[in-house]
Formats: sequence, C-alpha cells, structure tokens
Amino acid sequence: EDQVTQSPEALRLQEGESSSLNCSYTVSGLRGLFWYRQDPGKGPEFLFTLYSAGEEKEKERLKATLTKKESFLHITAPKPEDSATYLCAVQAKSGGSNYKLTFGKGTLLTVNP
Amino acid sequence: DAGVTQSPTHLIKTRGQHVTLRCSPISGHKSVSWYQQVLGQGPQFIFQYYEKEERGRGNFPDRFSARQFPNYSSELNVNALLLGDSALYLCASSSGLYTGELFFGEGSRLTVL
Repeated sequence: EDQVTQSPEALRLQEGESSSLNCSYTVSGLRGLFWYRQDPGKGPEFLFTLYSAGEEKEKERLKATLTKKESFLHITAPKPEDSATYLCAVQAKSGGSNYKLTFGKGTLLTVNP
Repeated sequence: DAGVTQSPTHLIKTRGQHVTLRCSPISGHKSVSWYQQVLGQGPQFIFQYYEKEERGRGNFPDRFSARQFPNYSSELNVNALLLGDSALYLCASSSGLYTGELFFGEGSRLTVL
C-alpha cells in the first residue's frame, strides 16, 4: 500500500528564516509526487509535480526536490503569507491505484513577522 | 473562469440520516474525484469518475456512493450517517484520468451529531 509520511507536523519560523519540509514515501512505481498548499477552510492548491529522482521545481520562494525515497520542499526567506499547511501526495504508476493521490498528513507552517 | 464549485458549504446532520453533496468541475474537465479530509489529516480518496464512469474507489463502505452526470457535474451520497463521517468533503476536477494536478473546490463541511 502506498504511504506518505511528512515531517515535521508543525514548523514555526521567523520571517526570513529559511527551512525545509520533508516527505518520505513508499509506492509501487512512482508516477508522480505532488506538493499542495492548503489554507484554513480551503481546498488544497496545486504547487508542483515531480516525476523522477533528481528533478527540481521552483516557484517564488519555494523549491521542491525529489529522491528515490523522499522529497523536500525548501522555503527560502519565507514571508507571513507563506503560512499554510503543505501537503505531499504520491500517485502510483500502475497496479490499481494509479488513478488516485495518496496524501500525507501535512506540515503546518507558521511564519511570524 | 470559474473554479470547482461545491454545495452546500456547511451542513449539519444527525446519525442515520442521508446526505447529498454536489460538485461542478472546471469547464472542460471530464474527471471528478472526491476526497474526505478529517481534521488534522490529509485528504483520503473516495471515488474518481471520468466520462461518467466510475474509474476508482477508495476504502470506504458501501454507504458511500457517487455518480457523474452528462455535464460532468457530480454528486456524492452518504447513507446512514455515522459520527465518524464528520469531515470536509473535497471535490477535485482534472483534465485527464491519470493526472495528479487536481483542482480542488473549497469543500463541504459535514458535521454529524
């Protein structure tokens, strides 16, 4: 069964203090790994797709990287508006679960001014 | 363009009742997925519909059912509600069957008393 574990569960940063969020995964053949952002009371918002080890994607202060067992979401010089829950999800390549995303529990990021 | 719209946004039911949740996908999207998100957890896959056919079902009891209409909108039905069904129900649409880039609505918050 596909599994996603995110750490830490919660992270509090000062504005400008860079850090990384971790996503460890097990999946029977990775089709894709996805990062989403979720604000309180809202649905998740897509951020990145990573397909293979070594791949990197960037968007503003966020950079996602992928290895064969984990992904990192690096946040550089965060601002208070980056505060949200960040969700990691995997999609299998085949085997009956290739149509769904398996999500982790998320990391709640709080950035203080 | 309108995003994914869900209704109702909030509802309160009592144990044993039935509920119907509705979702309109982004125009042009033929795939609709439903996810359940319990407080403090990541979204959990319930169903996927593509071109009006069920393409995937998660580990949920038969009390959960769904359908997709010719205009690609969708309904999620839950019978014989239990306290544990209290959650945020998220609808997501996508352009294809296997894409992991999902566009989520803001969800329907169900409280079962």
